[in-house]
Amino acid sequence: QSRLTQPPSVSAAPGQKVTISCSGSSSNIGDNSVSWYQQLSGAAPKLLIYDNNKRPSGIPDRFSGSKSGTSATLGITGFQTGDEADYYCGTWDTSLSASWVFGGGTKLTVL
Amino acid sequence: QVQLHQWGAGLLKPSETLSLTCEVSSGSFIGYYWNWIRQPPGKGLEWIGEINHSGSTNYNPSLNSRVTISIDTSKNQFSLKLRSATAADTAVYYCARAPIDTASHFDNWGQGALVTVSS
Repeated sequence: QSRLTQPPSVSAAPGQKVTISCSGSSSNIGDNSVSWYQQLSGAAPKLLIYDNNKRPSGIPDRFSGSKSGTSATLGITGFQTGDEADYYCGTWDTSLSASWVFGGGTKLTVL
Repeated sequence: QVQLHQWGAGLLKPSETLSLTCEVSSGSFIGYYWNWIRQPPGKGLEWIGEINHSGSTNYNPSLNSRVTISIDTSKNQFSLKLRSATAADTAVYYCARAPIDTASHFDNWGQGALVTVSS
């Protein structure tokens, strides 16, 4: 079971705003930066958001990230069919056994 | 733009050792942690461990007893060995890079290599 909790699936119509949540604890999200990854079908994950809300070069500003306390959120405005993918949050967990952890993933589909 | 390319045996028998190598084309080894991450079929991502240019490692505690990650800076390569493989180790294995100053994200990923453990 993942230490970070994401909804298994989210659906949206083209053009809508989408949010995907990632819930953790004081030993992971509460104490460390969160990153988000997009995994298109059959492809390797791709970095979307890092340090909670920064976008790498080449990532459109339709994608945004935020963090509050022990939760983080990925936002997508103007949802496009090409955004259909699995999305994962991730961060360090600095509990007794320090380790990088990922959420279970959210499958984003078109309505 | 740095590229990560990985390879290794795709089919193993139970109890054998899984072995993969990742080559980094262009760019420096210094300034990054080099990671292995896996994804069982139809499931989520699991971090295996990391190594820096000087050979310092960190491993997932759940795999710590079976994992060794090593580095060869002369070849721009780092490798994964996972001993005593079982069917539960069947997964796509990715190598990935994390900036060493924050180690807060994976900014480049390899294409992935499917490893199947089956008798």
